[in-house]
Amino acid sequence: KAGVTQTPRYLIKTRGQQVTLSCSPISGHRSVSWYQQTPGQGLQFLFEYFSETQRNKGNFPGRFSGRQFSNSRSEMNVSTLELGDSALYLCASSLGGPQEPQHFGDGTRLSIL
Amino acid sequence: AQKITQTQPGMFVQEKEAVTLDCTYDTSDQSYGLFWYKQPSSGEMIFLIYQGSYDEQNATEGRYSLNFQKARKSANLVISASQLGDSAMYFCAMRLLAGSYQLTFGKGTKLSVIP
Repeated sequence: KAGVTQTPRYLIKTRGQQVTLSCSPISGHRSVSWYQQTPGQGLQFLFEYFSETQRNKGNFPGRFSGRQFSNSRSEMNVSTLELGDSALYLCASSLGGPQEPQHFGDGTRLSIL
Repeated sequence: AQKITQTQPGMFVQEKEAVTLDCTYDTSDQSYGLFWYKQPSSGEMIFLIYQGSYDEQNATEGRYSLNFQKARKSANLVISASQLGDSAMYFCAMRLLAGSYQLTFGKGTKLSVIP
């Protein structure tokens, strides 16, 4: 069974640009969550989508947005990039229930110059 | 709000020995789940073990077991017979079983296994 696939693995952008990250969940999983990981703040929850609807949202500015498609694939968009957005962005999928473990992808490492 | 505390930034363990990674949590809810994840240097988060707040027995998965002490609000991970491949960051996380499904993570513990 294929795992969670995130593309691209690495990205380099400059301040002010925007970026779109992609996540393909495990087949059959309807929930996709996004996390930001930095050395200073650790792992922080961005948002979760379930059956194309945003079900939960973390405390991030509106520059961070996402969506989920009918095939459960998800995209995350960050507009007007700032230096502080440099991080590892992790996507996780699950069947959707609260007791279900989330399975993570390898992440996209975003560097802002 | 939920909070996870991992007080050991780094730990060393001899190969084949057992090691305990500490995790304490704070929540006013009675219904929650606790998770442990492993993150090797490659970056992927690997799910290890789950414990529900109403589970009466401690969870076990192969060499991993969770020492769950509800009254103390602790959920320590025990790794038996450590292997070199166990060297990684380990994160404790929790999620409420009603309401928001987001995972709240601790800061992690870096485990190094010495040959």
